[in-house]
Amino acid sequence: QVQLVQSGAEVKKPGASVKVSCKASGYTFNSYSITWVRQGPGQGLEWIGWISVHNGNTKYAQKVQGRVTLTTDTSTSTAYMELRSLRSDDTALYYCVRGGGLAPDYWGQGTLVTVSS
Amino acid sequence: EVVMTQSPATLSVSPGERATLSCRASQSITSNLAWYQQKPGRAPRLLIYGASTRATGIPARFSGSGSGTEFTLTISSLQSEDFAAYYCHQYNKWPRTFGQGTKVEIK
Repeated sequence: QVQLVQSGAEVKKPGASVKVSCKASGYTFNSYSITWVRQGPGQGLEWIGWISVHNGNTKYAQKVQGRVTLTTDTSTSTAYMELRSLRSDDTALYYCVRGGGLAPDYWGQGTLVTVSS
Repeated sequence: EVVMTQSPATLSVSPGERATLSCRASQSITSNLAWYQQKPGRAPRLLIYGASTRATGIPARFSGSGSGTEFTLTISSLQSEDFAAYYCHQYNKWPRTFGQGTKVEIK
């Protein structure tokens, strides 16, 4: 069965960086892109970026453009999201989701990133 | 970017009743629209894609319709497990965007 397993919760200080991993299994990793979505406390879903596993092409939301980098490692079927210059409003649950060129379908369990001094 | 506007923000419905949720796009997204259900403390689940195609394992009481800028998710007879938040999502244009969500609560 398709599974996306994300890394554990992180607590970071403002200005620091965080890197969240997302390990995929149960399907051919190269055949699907990966989307990243976040959800602030009590808030709705916010699309933050997309990466083609096939060729590495990326798209980012303007709000995080310049601070976020999406990458993949096909040898381990793992996707990564790195967010730099963290600020308090980056506190959120971060999800990786399979797909995104078409409707994203399978979601990871989420990784809580807390930014606090 | 394409702004997705959902209405209402909260919908109070009795079990067994029909629920109708709306989603409007600020420009045409053809049929590239998905609906997700999210329960508290859980990751979202894909319900509908292509505006009207149910995802694998989704009960027939969930149906989607619309194209262009106006979309609807209908739950024909609400079950206890359907009380949750619902989000629409456009995947026609970059950046992708979500609606702000509709919470379906027990009346």
